[in-house]
Amino acid sequence: NAGVMQNPRHLVRRRGQEARLRCSPMKGHSHVYWYRQLPEEGLKFMVYLQKENIIDESGMPKERFSAEFPKEGPSILRIQQVVRGDSAAYFCASSPPGRVTDTQYFGPGTRLTVL
Amino acid sequence: AQSVTQLDSQVPVFEEAPVELRCNYSSSVSVYLFWYVQYPNQGLQLLLKYLSGSTLVKGINGFEAEFNKSQTSFHLRKPSVHISDTAEYFCAAGGTSYGKLTFGQGTILTVHP
Repeated sequence: NAGVMQNPRHLVRRRGQEARLRCSPMKGHSHVYWYRQLPEEGLKFMVYLQKENIIDESGMPKERFSAEFPKEGPSILRIQQVVRGDSAAYFCASSPPGRVTDTQYFGPGTRLTVL
Repeated sequence: AQSVTQLDSQVPVFEEAPVELRCNYSSSVSVYLFWYVQYPNQGLQLLLKYLSGSTLVKGINGFEAEFNKSQTSFHLRKPSVHISDTAEYFCAAGGTSYGKLTFGQGTILTVHP
């Protein structure tokens, strides 16, 4: 059973470009979460999605960031017009449908570098 | 609001020594607590979790943690560490908002030979 998959693992963008980060949850998991890890900091929650629905986006910056989890295909975290401060590791996690206590399984992360 | 504080940013120890990584949380509601480990350039792996019941929780790789409600703590312990335990450890709390985990700042454990 494959784990949570994220691609690309490393992404380099110049200021003003767009970054698209992909996350494929574990088989049977319908809940996806995105977290951001800035250098020397812990992970910060960004958004929680279920298929075709955003459940909680309280951690998403108000501008330039968006996320989706379509009926078919991976979840996408999109950052428009990237700035240097967006450089970070972005982690996706997934969990099965069910209880709030279910374990979140993390992917290997995408490390975004903005030049 | 929920918050998690890891009291030590770095913990150096010698191989085969015991170790304790400290974690305190604050929450006004029922809380669920987790410890994750992150090896360099990898994702997070669950070590153990506390949901309810027995306050002593055993996890993988010989780690255990004790939930202390009166002290709002969830410290991670291992009686004898190995070189391979060198990694960053994160304490996290959930329960106040469905699906959202609040993480501490992380503790880098370095095991020296």
